[in-house]
Amino acid sequence: EADIYQTPRYLVIGTGKKITLECSQTMGHDKMYWYQQDPGMELHLIHYSYGVNSTEKGDLSSESTVSRIRTEHFPLTLESARPSHTSQYLCASTSGDEQFFGPGTRLTVL
Amino acid sequence: QKEVEQDPGPLSVPEGAIVSLNCTYSNSAFQYFMWYRQYSRKGPELLMYTYSSGNKEDGRFTAQVDKSSKYISLFIRDSQPSDSATYLCALKTSYDKVIFGPGTSLSVIP
Repeated sequence: EADIYQTPRYLVIGTGKKITLECSQTMGHDKMYWYQQDPGMELHLIHYSYGVNSTEKGDLSSESTVSRIRTEHFPLTLESARPSHTSQYLCASTSGDEQFFGPGTRLTVL
Repeated sequence: QKEVEQDPGPLSVPEGAIVSLNCTYSNSAFQYFMWYRQYSRKGPELLMYTYSSGNKEDGRFTAQVDKSSKYISLFIRDSQPSDSATYLCALKTSYDKVIFGPGTSLSVIP
């Protein structure tokens, strides 16, 4: 079982709030990713990192930001949450060709 | 046209049935082919991985790749209720970019 953790698992929050979704992995992987997944839809890459102090935007435009100060930690921040941000957010890290996913954070913005 | 198309489902089969899940793709640059399984409220987990045309077998699961037709399949033999999940095909180029299909929801009825 992959050692990749996400908190919180579920979050319901009001419009305009600042939120941070946490992702940590204990496998020492350099490459980490954030995906957004809506029901019945593809996973869309929103951010990725190839190592400490490296962050890039993914294919799907997102108003979120990420940071990578430590190898094991890749948090995602929304400065001002909106209902359009309601989705599931999945964090992943890579060893070779295999991506290991966390359990996801299901975010609802009212 | 989307880069990866997947049978929409949902699919409902009786226990013991043979299940066929399919994806087609348009970009011949894809070189690595994967199937992920995603249980409800969990992150995806890697099920099968292959990089060549032909069949790869792992227990009750067989992954089939036809690069000339740009078609990949996952077969599940003797399906079990525990196989009930969403199955995502995923394709990767040599540049580490992974594209996921939208997933097919499978229910195996006891």
